[in-house]
Parts: sequence; structure tokens; C-alpha cells
Amino acid sequence: GENVEQHPSTLSVQEGDSAVIKCTYSDSASNYFPWYKQELGKRPQLIIDIRSNVGEKKDQRIAVTLNKTAKHFSLHITETQPEDSAVYFCAAEGNQFYFGTGTSLTVIP
Amino acid sequence: GAVVSQHPSWVICKSGTSVKIECRSLDFQATTMFWYRQFPKQSLMLMATSNEGSKATYEQGVEKDKFLINHASLTLSTLTVTSAHPEDSSFYICSARGTPYSPLHFGNGTRLTVT
Repeated sequence: GENVEQHPSTLSVQEGDSAVIKCTYSDSASNYFPWYKQELGKRPQLIIDIRSNVGEKKDQRIAVTLNKTAKHFSLHITETQPEDSAVYFCAAEGNQFYFGTGTSLTVIP
Repeated sequence: GAVVSQHPSWVICKSGTSVKIECRSLDFQATTMFWYRQFPKQSLMLMATSNEGSKATYEQGVEKDKFLINHASLTLSTLTVTSAHPEDSSFYICSARGTPYSPLHFGNGTRLTVT
């Protein structure tokens, strides 16, 4: 089955700096890669997704890159703000849909 | 946008009783629903995948006789925790979507406490 690894597990950045979270997957059949943000006590919310026919996607301060050959994809948040503080999950879907282990991001004002 | 409603948001029950959690897609037809368990500060652990009209597919290590899943319609899936024990206390969350390779829409989750 699929194995999605996510790093780092915790990340602290100063407000205004960039944050990068990386994920790797094992199933070469995976072709859909969403990222979710979960604030404390709330449901996960989709923030951006990318499909295997695209190498990069950007939405304002958030971008995702995908390297299918190396089976890894990354989330980039620029100009971080305190409200970006949350747990971020990557996911990969091929024959199954699996989440990464999560990254707790803290943006220090 | 797509809305998924999950009820109850929290429940406290005595050991040995059963608890039913409902997950409804309010404005779309959910051909697939997923049930997760989440421990504090940890990731979403997939318990089972439920397709409308067919039996749920359980992940390894999840007892299907203890966690009964029913997906009787395109808008409703239920998870019943049977003969609950304190170790079943957790945050259970459902998600749903209409088509494969599309975003999941999550319910608000259910905090289960078994005393």
C-alpha cells in the first residue's frame, strides 16, 4: 500500500519568513496530492492540491511542487503570518488515499 | 462549497454501550466516505473507506465488528462504535467526496469519551 512520509513534524518560523514542508510517497500510481490545514479543534481544510500532470501550482502565498520521478512533493508558504499557525497534512492518492503524519507549524509574531 | 455535516459533535457514554455517529453530505452526492480516528497532535488514521451500496473496506488492525459502517445512501454514512470501552475514546472524523481524485470535504468531527 501507499506510505506517505512528511517532514518536519514541527516547524517554527518568524513572521514574514517562508515555511517549507516536504512529503514523499511510495506508490508510483499516486496522481493526486492535496494539502490540508487543520486548526486546533477544527476540521481539516483543503488549501491547495496538485495533480501528477503538473509540476508546480501557486495560489497567492501558497505553492506546491511535485517531482514524480523522485516521488516527493512540497508545500511552500511565503510571508508567513501568525494565522498560518496550524497543523498541515499532505496526502497522496493512487489506488488509495493516505495522509502524511502532519507538521505543526508555529509562526512567531 | 461542499458541506459535510457530522453529528454528534461530542458524546459521552458508559463502557459497554454503543454509539452511532452520522456523516451527511448536504449539497453533493458522496459516492465515497472515509472514516478517520485522530489522537491528540497526531495525523488522521484511516479506519475504513465506505462506498455507497457496498460493504466498507477496513484498514488493517481495525475491527469491523466493533466499528460498524453503513453507507446506505449517497448522502449518509454512519459509524457505530459497538460495546465501547475507554480505549475507544478519541476524535472521529468523516470525510466525503463525489468523485475519485478530488478534494475531500470533512465533517467537524465527533469527540467520543467512554467512561
